This record gives sequence, C-alpha cells and structure tokens, in this order.
Amino acid sequence: GQQLNQSPQSMFIQEGEDVSMNCTSSSIFNTWLWYKQDPGEGPVLLIALYKAGELTSNGRLTAQFGITRKDSFLNISASIPSDVGIYFCAGQLRSSNTGKLIFGQGTTLQVKP
Amino acid sequence: DAGVIQSPRHEVTEMGQEVTLRCKPISGHDYLFWYRQTMMRGLELLIYFNNNVPIDDSGMPEDRFSAKMPNASFSTLKIQPSEPRDSAVYFCASSLSALGYTFGSGTRLTVV
Repeated sequence: GQQLNQSPQSMFIQEGEDVSMNCTSSSIFNTWLWYKQDPGEGPVLLIALYKAGELTSNGRLTAQFGITRKDSFLNISASIPSDVGIYFCAGQLRSSNTGKLIFGQGTTLQVKP
Repeated sequence: DAGVIQSPRHEVTEMGQEVTLRCKPISGHDYLFWYRQTMMRGLELLIYFNNNVPIDDSGMPEDRFSAKMPNASFSTLKIQPSEPRDSAVYFCASSLSALGYTFGSGTRLTVV
C-alpha cells in the first residue's frame, strides 16, 4: 500500500557518533522530506528532496533521494545532545496530483552526553 | 512571519463536550492540513483544504469530527461530542503549492 517503512524505530547513541535512518516504500515518490519534532512542538522541516539521486546537506545533516524513487536516507554526523527528538520522513507519491504527504512512523533519537 | 498559529495549546474537557480547535495558516499558503498524533498511530492526516475547499476528508474518524475553512486565514476542527479516545495532539499545517509543510505547535487535547 501507500506506506512508508521508517527504520530504525528508535536509537540511543553516544554524543559524537554518526546516525543513519531510512525510509522505504513499494511506491514511487516525487518528493521526499525529512522533519524533526522536538518534545511539545510540531515537526520542523529539515531537508527537502525533489529529484531522484539528489544528495542535499544542511549542516551536519545529509539526506538522499534514492535512485529508484522508493527510498530515502538521513544521516546526522557528530551527534550532539540537541539532536534528540523524533525524525520523520515524508513523501509525495508520483501518482498523486494533490498536496498530500505520507509520513513514516518516526525514528526516536536519544543522545547520551 | 509568525508561522502557523494554533489555539488553544492545551485543552482538557469532559466526555460529551464540544471541542473546537483553531488554526491560522501562514499568509499566502494555499493548502491547509489537519493531523492527529498519537503514540499508537503516529501522524494521521484527518482532512486537508486547497484554496479553502476541502479536498480529502477520508481520514476524519467519524461524524463527530468536522472541519471548516471559511476563509484563507482561518480553519477550525470541531469534535462533538468528544470521547476519551479522541485524546491526542492535533496539528495544523499549511503549505504553498504542497511544497513542504509548515506545522503549528499543536493542541494537546485530553478528554476525561
């Protein structure tokens, strides 16, 4: 179906470590977005990807739009305590002519100082 | 830019009462979305509007839920009557031509 499988579900890492998370689907997407949600707040857009193969960085964050258009990953380098939160992938289906995004279930990141 | 503004931030109500959540989207955005977030189900799209017109309400749980967008700067999500299982965080988001959403800070609803 039109589901996004996001993994891992949660991560507990040491400060300074690199982090990688990904989203996969059986459907083809036109757009991939990565969001971060801090406790008590709404998700905030981190990176947007609009082309297959696109690799985009935002500070210590790097995300890629998979060549098959069915997956995307997000890497965080040299993690710091403020990276704690829930990270969501979201995609817009190629078959969709609407503004609707499908969200993954989220990856909860905890960073130990 | 003030971002997407939601009110109230927190709402505690008794079962059976009517609840109205409010949202002011970013000026100039043509899409508005209502989401519900729970631990069990994650982020669920309830309904969305394009140019104030409801496009897809298939995510609205049941007839107790209704949403309106009387103009480009205001939307409401109403639950009547409310039930304990409606307890969740409700988010409003807006976007320009569906290119990446901006979320509000959410309304945490508790129905007792």
